[in-house]
Amino acid sequence: KNQVEQSPQSLIILEGKNCTLQCNYTVSPFSNLRWYKQDTGRGPVSLTIMTFSENTKSNGRYTATLDADTKQSSLHITASQLSDSASYICVVSAAGGYNKLIFGAGTRLAVHP
Amino acid sequence: DTAVSQTPKYLVTQMGNDKSIKCEQNLGHDTMYWYKQDSKKFLKIMFSYNNKELIINETVPNRFSPKSPDKAHLNLHINSLELGDSAVYFCASSQGAATAYEQYFGPGTRLTVT
Repeated sequence: KNQVEQSPQSLIILEGKNCTLQCNYTVSPFSNLRWYKQDTGRGPVSLTIMTFSENTKSNGRYTATLDADTKQSSLHITASQLSDSASYICVVSAAGGYNKLIFGAGTRLAVHP
Repeated sequence: DTAVSQTPKYLVTQMGNDKSIKCEQNLGHDTMYWYKQDSKKFLKIMFSYNNKELIINETVPNRFSPKSPDKAHLNLHINSLELGDSAVYFCASSQGAATAYEQYFGPGTRLTVT
């Protein structure tokens, strides 16, 4: 069964600190992995997208890594800001079909001053 | 300019009623989606249309009927609403139906069935 699991479920950090969110998946065959940011009451917004051959991708203070062998990904946030408070969702799509995304439950990040 | 818009943003209704949610995208995309986000925050695909044709139809009760009058619009009609239909419904669009294309999400419609 295609699944995406994320940890931790929630995280509180102080402004300016770094953090790393984890994602494990069992989706096969693998096409790509995305990290989305979802602010409260808003739709998800894409941060990064990685294919099988990519093992790291950055978007400003966000850096995603992918280990396709172990089927793990991480999202590292550097020098956190209050506006980083949101849910971060790992999303995987399977190859060979239409653009059907499989979502993790997300990690709820709270950045405190 | 809003890329993917949904109306209404909030919808409160009673069990047994019929309601519709509308979605419009101005990105020129040819593929649109409906997702349901339940209380556990999982987003799950319900339907997808490509050039007005249904291409993804997950295990969804047939009380849910999508309609795509043109490539820029995808509406969701729900008959005989049940308590379990309470959720946030997101519309999304992408340039194409292949897995490489990025999906852009609307702001969501929070449906509460009482």
